[in-house]
Order: sequence, then structure tokens, then C-alpha cells
Amino acid sequence: QVQLQESGPGLVKPSETLSLTCTVSGGSTSSYYWTWIRQPPGKGLEWIGCIYYTGSTNYNPSLKSRITISIDTSKNQFSLKLSSVTAADTAVYYCARDPGFFDSSGYHPGLFDYWGQGALVTVSS
Amino acid sequence: DIVMTQSPDSLAVSLGERATINCRSSQSVLYSSNNKNSLAWYQQKPGQPPKLLIYWASTRDPGVPDRFSGSGSGTDFTLTINNLQAEDVAVYYCQQYYSTPFTFGQGTKLEIK
Repeated sequence: QVQLQESGPGLVKPSETLSLTCTVSGGSTSSYYWTWIRQPPGKGLEWIGCIYYTGSTNYNPSLKSRITISIDTSKNQFSLKLSSVTAADTAVYYCARDPGFFDSSGYHPGLFDYWGQGALVTVSS
Repeated sequence: DIVMTQSPDSLAVSLGERATINCRSSQSVLYSSNNKNSLAWYQQKPGQPPKLLIYWASTRDPGVPDRFSGSGSGTDFTLTINNLQAEDVAVYYCQQYYSTPFTFGQGTKLEIK
């Protein structure tokens, strides 16, 4: 059974960088896409971006200038960095596995079948 | 971005009855290469991460009870829960994976009447 666990500081000061790591167990990060999704308290879900095991990334344009997603397959981990945070970035951050799907043009992301429990990150001074 | 709009925002259904949740996309999510709709449904219970229920608009993820079913095509989709059980109380989200950024509906809160 694949399990994912987010880790990182629960409190970040405004203008600083939010950093989270997702550790995968019961499976390997040397395949599939790996995704970050966030959910502000009491609100809906926002896709942040994803990374393929090769290191290829796809980011939400609304956050693209501030985010970096990286992967370390040797540690079975992938990470999120979000810079210049404000109170609007306060949310539960989820990591998830994206099994992707194949079609005639290749392999594509978009589905989220295993999720971490989520990490609440509060932006406050 | 493709905007996903769910209706209603909340509903209350009696145990054993049917719940119907609708989802509309701002443009078609029909994937031409395989003639399938790039639409998924998730269930989120309080304090838990979302759980994938249905993908390609109507394919249940393994282990999902068959009382959950999805239908629709193009821009209009429906999640139907037959024989509602107490454990089905949750917020339900639709999500399109036709194009990035992948987007979710605002959620529909399902309660027991």
C-alpha cells in the first residue's frame, strides 16, 4: 500500500519561503507523476503543480513565479518550495501520487489516487 | 483555466435514498484521442484528504462501492449515490484533467436528512 507523508514547518513568516517534503513509502518515486495540492481552511482544492520522476515539471500559472517542485528518487521524496508567502498561502498542503494516463500522444498527468494526510502551514508573523 | 461549477452547494438526503450532485465545466473536457471525458470525482470526509472515487467520468476506482456512479459527457456531469449510507457524509468535488491547470469544483456538502 502506497503511503505519503508531508513534513515541514507549520508556521512561516510573510515574505519567507515555505518548504515541504513528501516522503513516499510502499512504492517508488521512480515512476508516475507526483503532485502538490493545497486547501485553504474551510475552502476548496487548488492544484499547485506536479513533477515526473525524470524531473520534468508542470506548474499552476497562478503560482508559477513562486514555486519550485523537485524530486529525489534516491530518497523516495519530492519537495515543494513556495517563495514570498503571504497570509493567502495559509492552507493544508497535500502531496499526492498521480498515476497519469496514456494516449496516442504520450503519458499525461491529472489523476490523484494516493494522498498524504496533509500539512497545515500558517503564514503569520 | 477551465472553471468547474458544482450544484447544489449542499444537500441533505435520507438514509437509503439517492443523492445527485452535478458538475459543469466551462468548456468540453472530452479527450479526443480516446473519446473519454477527463472528469474525476473525489470524496473528502472531515479531517481527511480527498479520496478518488471515479475517473473518466464513469469508471469507479478499485474498492469504491457500486452505489457510487458517474455519468455525463462534454460539459455536464453527475455523481449519483444510491442507497445513501451514513458513511457517505462528506464533501464531494469534481475535477477536470483535460488541461492544466487542473481545476476542481467548489465542492458539494452532503448530509443526512
